[in-house]
Amino acid sequence: EPEVTQTPSHQVTQMGQEVILRCVPISNHLYFYWYRQILGQKVEFLVSFYNNEISEKSEIFDDQFSVERPDGSNFTLKIRSTKLEDSAMYFCASSYMNTEAFFGQGTRLTVV
Amino acid sequence: QQQVKQSPQSLIVQKGGISIINCAYENTAFDYFPWYQQFPGKGPALLIAIRPDVSEKKEGRFTISFNKSAKQFSLHIMDSQPGDSATYFCAAEGGNDMRFGAGTRLTVKP
Repeated sequence: EPEVTQTPSHQVTQMGQEVILRCVPISNHLYFYWYRQILGQKVEFLVSFYNNEISEKSEIFDDQFSVERPDGSNFTLKIRSTKLEDSAMYFCASSYMNTEAFFGQGTRLTVV
Repeated sequence: QQQVKQSPQSLIVQKGGISIINCAYENTAFDYFPWYQQFPGKGPALLIAIRPDVSEKKEGRFTISFNKSAKQFSLHIMDSQPGDSATYFCAAEGGNDMRFGAGTRLTVKP
């Protein structure tokens, strides 16, 4: 069964450092999303990506965040200068059209 | 602005009982309403979904009721089991926008 894979599963980084979270969406999917979830709380929308550009982003997705689909298979989330409050689970998701989204297992980001 | 409001925040139900979780949305452009189930340490996984052309969808013990005029939808879990204990998120999707409710932590007591 196709699945969304995320790497790494856990990332520890120093405050102020840049991190890149990687995702491999399901191959024929067209829409890609990043969400974050702080300690089992609500799932917060960060950004959606379609046709090689950002289509929606939330107020959380400020200038320190960026997304890229560099090679047609990977979908990355970059946080330029991490803050303590960026510590969370980050989930990547993909969907074919306006249908079910499949989520990866998440990357736990810990900023120290 | 909270685009999808979900209640209750937590729910405790006895085994065999009915669990009901409610959601309301604001954006009338949303046209796909999934419910996700999340176990600790895992990503959300689709449980059941509905489109606004029907008022109810049932899959096994899980039923979505949808009220388009009120912009509300709910998840009913019949004959709740301890294995249903998880966090449930409603979502609303339209085009390339998908927003989640705040989640409901369901505990089913044996």
